[in-house]
Amino acid sequence: AQSVTQLDSQVPVFEEAPVELRCNYSSSVSVYLFWYVQYPNQGLQLLLKYLSGSTLVKGINGFEAEFNKSQTSFHLRKPSVHISDTAEYFCAVSPNDYKLSFGAGTTVTVRA
Amino acid sequence: NAGVMQNPRHLVRRRGQEARLRCSPMKGHSHVYWYRQLPEEGLKFMVYLQKENIIDESGMPKERFSAEFPKEGPSILRIQQVVRGDSAAYFCASSPRQGNLGETQYFGPGTRLLVL
Repeated sequence: AQSVTQLDSQVPVFEEAPVELRCNYSSSVSVYLFWYVQYPNQGLQLLLKYLSGSTLVKGINGFEAEFNKSQTSFHLRKPSVHISDTAEYFCAVSPNDYKLSFGAGTTVTVRA
Repeated sequence: NAGVMQNPRHLVRRRGQEARLRCSPMKGHSHVYWYRQLPEEGLKFMVYLQKENIIDESGMPKERFSAEFPKEGPSILRIQQVVRGDSAAYFCASSPRQGNLGETQYFGPGTRLLVL
C-alpha cells in the first residue's frame, strides 16, 4: 500500500515570494508521483507528474517539483507566487497509472 | 470542451436513505474513476470503470456501495442505507485511456454528501 504525507496543512505567503509545499510518501514498490491543484468550486487540475527520467519536473503556471528517491519526497516549488495561486494543493502517488492515493492537501493563501 | 460534470454538487440524506451520485466524463473519455475524501483526509481511490465494465473496485466498501458506467448516460455511484460515516466529498475523474503511461485523470468538482 502507498501513503502520502503533506507536511503543511496551511501555507500563508506574500505575493512574489517563493513557496515550497512538502510531500513525503511511503511505498514498497516504485510509484508515479503527481501534484494537483484545486481552485474554489472547481475540480482537481494536474500541475505536474513524475513518471521516470529527470528528477526535476516542470509543470504549468511556473511550478516545478523534484523527486528524491532516497528521501521519498516530491516537494513542489514556485519561485514567485501570484494572488491567483491561492488554492488547495494535493500530492498523489500511484503504483500503476490509475489508482491515485492523495495527501490531505495544503492550502496556500497568497497575500498582497 | 466541457469538463467532468458531477451532480448534485451537494446532497443531504437521512440515515437509511439511498444516495445516487452522477458523473458525466469529458467528451471522448471512456474511463471513469471514483474517489472519496473523508474529512481531514486525502482522496482515496474507490473504483475504476470502463463502459459497462468494472475494471478495479478494490477501494469500494464491501457493502452498500455500488458503481456502474452504462453504455449510455453518466456513471452512477450508489450508496444504499447511508450512515453518518458516509458523509464525505465524492470526486469523479475521467480519462481517454489511450494506453499512455501515467495518463492524466481529469477531475470533476465533487459531490458533498452530508448524512444527518
